[in-house]
Amino acid sequence: NAGVTQTPKFRILKIGQSMTLQCAQDMNHNYMYWYRQDPGMGLKLIYYSVGAGITDKGEVPNGYNVSRSTTEDFPLRLELAAPSQTSVYFCASSLGGLTDTQYFGPGTRLTVL
Amino acid sequence: QKEVEQDPGPLSVPEGAIVSLNCTYSNSAFQYFMWYRQYSRKGPELLMYTYSSGNKEDGRFTAQVDKSSKYISLFIRDSQPSDSATYLCAMSTASGGSYIPTFGRGTSLIVHP
Repeated sequence: NAGVTQTPKFRILKIGQSMTLQCAQDMNHNYMYWYRQDPGMGLKLIYYSVGAGITDKGEVPNGYNVSRSTTEDFPLRLELAAPSQTSVYFCASSLGGLTDTQYFGPGTRLTVL
Repeated sequence: QKEVEQDPGPLSVPEGAIVSLNCTYSNSAFQYFMWYRQYSRKGPELLMYTYSSGNKEDGRFTAQVDKSSKYISLFIRDSQPSDSATYLCAMSTASGGSYIPTFGRGTSLIVHP
């Protein structure tokens, strides 16, 4: 199994540009998550999904959109990129439930100039 | 007050030292407690988990939960340079049928030879 994969690994955007961060998992997990991690600030949840067709906002959803049309894929869309969106973005997946383990992807480093 | 507090460090120790990493929390409903390890430029990976109060040992690592004090700890014995990483605590409870974990900021650990 490849686990959780993310593309691209790195990206530089200009202010106002848009892009989609791709995330895929091959573990048949129900839950998928998008986090951003700023230096020394831990993980902040952007959006999550408990299954195909179901998404919900996390702690910091403004400026982002998601969709979940299949179990495997959970893309994150940035519209009108701003310097405040410079961060490392992690996608994760899990089976769901209380005693749950999240499996993280390798991350996408995004810089907005 | 944040739900989960964790000192970001860095914590610098000599090889062979016993390391104590800690988190405090405010939500008494948290039931499941996790420690993730994150190497530089990588995604977090689950290191240990405990359910409710008590201790759990796995090799050189011991996770401890004190629900009465709302305090969790991770102890690393005989620390090695390869233990140098950021350690994030996470905890979860049921909320509207979902179990979305709350992460601490992470503590940066440096073990020098």
